[in-house]
Amino acid sequence: AQSVTQPDIHITVSEGASLELRCNYSYGATPYLFWYVQSPGQGLQLLLKYFSGDTLVQGIKGFEAEFKRSQSSFNLRKPSVHWSDAAEYFCAVGANDYKLSFGAGTTVTVRA
Amino acid sequence: SQTIHQWPATLVQPVGSPLSLECTVEGTSNPNLYWYRQAAGRGLQLLFYSVGIGQISSEVPQNLSASRPQDRQFILSSKKLLLSDSGFYLCAWSQGALGETQYFGPGTRLLVL
Repeated sequence: AQSVTQPDIHITVSEGASLELRCNYSYGATPYLFWYVQSPGQGLQLLLKYFSGDTLVQGIKGFEAEFKRSQSSFNLRKPSVHWSDAAEYFCAVGANDYKLSFGAGTTVTVRA
Repeated sequence: SQTIHQWPATLVQPVGSPLSLECTVEGTSNPNLYWYRQAAGRGLQLLFYSVGIGQISSEVPQNLSASRPQDRQFILSSKKLLLSDSGFYLCAWSQGALGETQYFGPGTRLLVL
């Protein structure tokens, strides 16, 4: 079965600084990979996804993620963080069934 | 375009009372439907999913049950709530089978007292 690890529980970053969130997955074949964002008290919003092709994926809100098969990683990046990026971020992996496996999430705090 | 609704948005219930949370999807047909629970400060736990009317798969044995009486309606129920049922309940939908993108509803905050 597939699984996801997000090593960082909480990250604090200054507004305008760059952000990188780590995600490592475990799956025997090429997975489907996702990043979601959740603002407090809200549902999850899809930021971006990787199914195949170009390993650098562009998403909404200026986010991008890079799939590295050799490292089993799918890290999320943003060059310049805005205060509105404060939220919880979830990495997820899908396989050849109906389910997604989610990581435990990384909470991002943005300081002025 | 597709939209997903959940209600109620917030619910406070006493221990031992019944529960019914509803999720409805618009703008698509034959979606896969999912119920997740998110406890405070924790990740998402898949509770149930359904790939068709009357087809329910349970992921975690617990005090809850799910039903899908119509193609785009998914209901989460309990006969007697426990304190541990408190949490944030999220409904999601997807199309297809192979690890497709899931789209989430706004969630229901349940507090059991």
